[in-house]
Amino acid sequence: AQSVTQPDIHITVSEGASLELRCNYSYGATPYLFWYVQSPGQGLQLLLKYFSGDTLVQGIKGFEAEFKRSQSSFNLRKPSVHWSDAAEYFCASLPYYGGSQGNLIFGKGTKLSVKP
Amino acid sequence: GAVVSQHPSRVICKSGTSVKIECRSLDFQATTMFWYRQFPKQSLMLMATSNEGSKATYEQGVEKDKFLINHASLTLSTLTVTSAHPEDSSFYICSARRTGGNSPLHFGNGTRLTVT
Repeated sequence: AQSVTQPDIHITVSEGASLELRCNYSYGATPYLFWYVQSPGQGLQLLLKYFSGDTLVQGIKGFEAEFKRSQSSFNLRKPSVHWSDAAEYFCASLPYYGGSQGNLIFGKGTKLSVKP
Repeated sequence: GAVVSQHPSRVICKSGTSVKIECRSLDFQATTMFWYRQFPKQSLMLMATSNEGSKATYEQGVEKDKFLINHASLTLSTLTVTSAHPEDSSFYICSARRTGGNSPLHFGNGTRLTVT
């Protein structure tokens, strides 16, 4: 079965430090890939997405993610974390099978805490 | 671990009929559940926030009379697509979080609705 793995359940970084959240997907072909953020009490907000083309994707709030086919990874990065970035982050994969769209598959999420 | 069950996983219905999708938190109570819709090759769109014992909060542009949400208990929210049309064909997914605290967000496996 297809899956999305976020190995880190909880990460704590200091404000101003750099951040990398890991995401790996299991799928033979390249799926569509997404990163979402959820702040407390809010719905999911799309940070960025990768469909094709340039493997380095820029998103909102200063986030970027790099698709690496050889590693089946789509890690999310930010050079300098702000306290307001504390939230829960979800990686998601949308596989395609012979031109037909599969179901959206989410990782279990990584909770980010930011130290002052 | 906590699980969110969404049923049915796939449904095909005729135009003009109504379809009910259930979202259950199996081993925890969830005051709030979220309903999303995913359009082909697009990211998720938040449709509404379902609150136990009160009216759902719909996002702008979502027809509340067409997408009826009922959150009658702390473990069950339902989305009913009324008078379905082919353009309602989509992937619908719910998510839920244990009431109180900073518990993880859990997703259902989604429902693929096809209206013929």
